[in-house]
Amino acid sequence: SQKIEQNSEALNIQEGKTATLTCNYTNYSPAYLQWYRQDPGRGPVFLLLIRENEKEKRKERLKVTFDTTLKQSLFHITASQPADSATYLCALGGDSSYKLIFGSGTRLLVRP
Amino acid sequence: NAGVTQTPKFQVLKTGQSMTLQCAQDMNHNSMYWYRQDPGMGLRLIYYSASEGTTDKGEVPNGYNVSRLNKREFSLRLESAAPSQTSVYFCASTTSVYTGELFFGEGSRLTVL
Repeated sequence: SQKIEQNSEALNIQEGKTATLTCNYTNYSPAYLQWYRQDPGRGPVFLLLIRENEKEKRKERLKVTFDTTLKQSLFHITASQPADSATYLCALGGDSSYKLIFGSGTRLLVRP
Repeated sequence: NAGVTQTPKFQVLKTGQSMTLQCAQDMNHNSMYWYRQDPGMGLRLIYYSASEGTTDKGEVPNGYNVSRLNKREFSLRLESAAPSQTSVYFCASTTSVYTGELFFGEGSRLTVL
């Protein structure tokens, strides 16, 4: 069955450093991958989408890579700030399905 | 800008009671979704509506029914609540079912005793 893995342990980093979050998947060939941010008690908020034919996507301090051979996406936040502390979810989408499949998310804590 | 609005935000039910979660979006989106989120399990799709007048089952539809009342509104009904339905429920909408970003509501926290 399809499976998405995000590190369940929180990532704890110092302000100013680069945070790198991982999303691995198996038994799936997604046409695209999305990343969302979720703050406690709030709904997820869309950040970035990357398609299967794209290797890298950037938006301000965010960078996403997508390696379909490794079946992995990396999500980077450069020059991290305490305000970046949140849970980050990855989601896979296929061109034959209406349904996004979400990972369980990784919590990021940025220490001042 | 309201975006996606869910009501109620919190609800406590007894086993066997019924209730309806309401969702409305003001972005003129065609597609709407209901997810549940449980600790360590991520968001799981309950039902979705690709367009007004259509609804389809997602990954975990048992125990739920939905109604796409019009383009704006998509409700989720629990006919006979069970403790296993204790969860946080999110409604979402999008312009495109293929690649569109999902816009989520703030969630409805449901506890079934």
